[in-house]
Amino acid sequence: KNEVEQSPQNLTAQEGEFITINCSYSVGISALHWLQQHPGGGIVSLFMLSSGKKKHGRLIATINIQEKHSSLHITASHPRDSAVYICAVPAKETSGSRLTFGEGTQLTVNP
Amino acid sequence: DTEVTQTPKHLVMGMTNKKSLKCEQHMGHRAMYWYKQKAKKPPELMFVYSYEKLSINESVPSRFSPECPNSSLLNLHLHALQPEDSALYLCASSLAGLNTGELFFGEGSRLTVL
Repeated sequence: KNEVEQSPQNLTAQEGEFITINCSYSVGISALHWLQQHPGGGIVSLFMLSSGKKKHGRLIATINIQEKHSSLHITASHPRDSAVYICAVPAKETSGSRLTFGEGTQLTVNP
Repeated sequence: DTEVTQTPKHLVMGMTNKKSLKCEQHMGHRAMYWYKQKAKKPPELMFVYSYEKLSINESVPSRFSPECPNSSLLNLHLHALQPEDSALYLCASSLAGLNTGELFFGEGSRLTVL
């Protein structure tokens, strides 16, 4: 079992739909990262959170430390949201220098 | 300036060539990273520099040689690579450890080894 598991692996939505991507982890953490990668491109950090909820535009990230679970929500999805979304947690033994990544969720939003 | 700049964006090299990938950031970040990413896979950590000192080497073959000339620059020297080393090489930086700070990535250098 991977330390970080994401679901679903692939997600196809129609423009305007509400999207949820889930991330579960098996280790104790102090922070969790959500990242976005467009095809052929670099990676953008969307959120780093250690508790509660964060919002940036149409993106919302939540985390429940007790349940070891985080969700990334996209409201009013748009084709430009099509990308791979990756959840990652720092490994404690390296003072947080090493991230354990989930396998990613490929999101396709159709017009 | 919130950018991590990588050059070149694309590189094709033969197995006997020597080349370098370069990475630059001017955000005052003290940790810099090299990752390797194969298609449809998450990034794999290669090296971490913390305060210009190599702090993590993930058992990377010696044909990859990192260098951190100063706090803003990170190089990856490539020599005698194999075709299986073809991948996207991503540089990243953070102000502090990733328990407290975000990771900023460059656009990557896509390497093809013939």
